[in-house]
Amino acid sequence: AQSVAQPEDQVNVAEGNPLTVKCTYSVSGNPYLFWYVQYPNRGLQFLLKYITGDNLVKGSYGFEAEFNKSQTSFHLKKPSALVSDSALYFCAVRGIDSGNTGKLIFGQGTTLQVKP
Amino acid sequence: DTGVSQDPRHKITKRGQNVTFRCDPISEHNRLYWYRQTLGQGPEFLTYFQNEAQLEKSRLLSDRFSAERPKGSFSTLEIQRTEQGDSAMYLCASSFLTSGSSEQFFGPGTRLTVL
Repeated sequence: AQSVAQPEDQVNVAEGNPLTVKCTYSVSGNPYLFWYVQYPNRGLQFLLKYITGDNLVKGSYGFEAEFNKSQTSFHLKKPSALVSDSALYFCAVRGIDSGNTGKLIFGQGTTLQVKP
Repeated sequence: DTGVSQDPRHKITKRGQNVTFRCDPISEHNRLYWYRQTLGQGPEFLTYFQNEAQLEKSRLLSDRFSAERPKGSFSTLEIQRTEQGDSAMYLCASSFLTSGSSEQFFGPGTRLTVL
């Protein structure tokens, strides 16, 4: 069965420091991986995706993610955190199913807290 | 605003009542999804439409839940005889049909509270 794990409930980082939010996945075949961010009382906003190609994917708001097939990981990174990056982050994988529905399987989320 | 919209944003109801939520996807998107998100958890897939056809339903979708997308545009999600366990955020998302690699665009959600 496909699954996504985000091992940290919360990540704390000082403004200006690099940040990493971890994600590991389990899926048969080639994974389609996504990162979304959720601000309070708002829907999920797409940040970036990995489908194929370069293992380092660049996305919105200066975020990037590194796909590592051998470690089945897709960690989200940013070189210099901003206080406004504080939010709830979700990693997701496209489920494998016969109907090619594209449904997403989400991790439980990681709260990022950036302190001034 | 050309994003995904949902109505209402909040719904408070008493146990046993029926509720209906609406989702308006991005106009050219032919894929539409419903997810449910409870506190401290990631969204969980409920159901999927391709145009007007409902092609997949999760086992989470009990027989009290029904969803429609009558003309392949907006969609409704109805919950009959609501229970306290139905309290959650209901999210709608849409995407354009390709190979399944397209990202989904989410609406702001409808927060349901069942008293």
